[in-house]
Amino acid sequence: ETGVTQSPTHLIKTRGQQVTLRCSSQSGHNTVSWYQQALGQGPQFIFQYYREEENGRGNFPPRFSGLQFPNYSSELNVNALELDDSALYLCASSFEWGINTEAFFGQGTRLTVV
Amino acid sequence: DQQVKQNSPSLSVQEGRISILNCDYTNSMFDYFLWYKKYPAEGPTFLISISSIKDKNEDGRFTVFLNKSAKHLSLHIVPSQPGDSAVYFCAASQGDMRFGAGTRLTVKP
Repeated sequence: ETGVTQSPTHLIKTRGQQVTLRCSSQSGHNTVSWYQQALGQGPQFIFQYYREEENGRGNFPPRFSGLQFPNYSSELNVNALELDDSALYLCASSFEWGINTEAFFGQGTRLTVV
Repeated sequence: DQQVKQNSPSLSVQEGRISILNCDYTNSMFDYFLWYKKYPAEGPTFLISISSIKDKNEDGRFTVFLNKSAKHLSLHIVPSQPGDSAVYFCAASQGDMRFGAGTRLTVKP
């Protein structure tokens, strides 16, 4: 059973650029969520995908978008990067949406926007 | 979107004593509550959870209490150990999880 893995671990981008972060879900998990964690804060919910469809979204602008693939791996895309987008981005997978169960997190991608 | 609040940014306890971490929520639709532990440079790791139909769940040294009428949950760690030093996040779910800001626990030898 493989855990949740994210790539890359660190990334530096320039304001205005676009970035794609990747997440490989834990084996057997079909639900993935993305979170943004700024320094000193808790993870903020960006959106959730279940069986390749977005089924929940937090208070983030449309320039934050995502995809989930048939193998349940996932991408987070951020367009027109702003300095405030600098944060740790976490991906979490869970077994099945709607069933109360824990989510398992990857180690995160540290994004720095300069 | 402060639906989940942890009002104590930090807590320091002596080894062997009890650690009590608190969490409040505002959305009565939440039906599942979780605690995660986070070390630096790692993702959060699941610790313990509780369904809204229960008021207590215990797992070894860790116990979570839920008071639905007060919209409050707490995590008790007893006895506390230095290895428990980490940031603890509470989370509430109604399909997707919302997190508090975290409490940094320091257990002193």
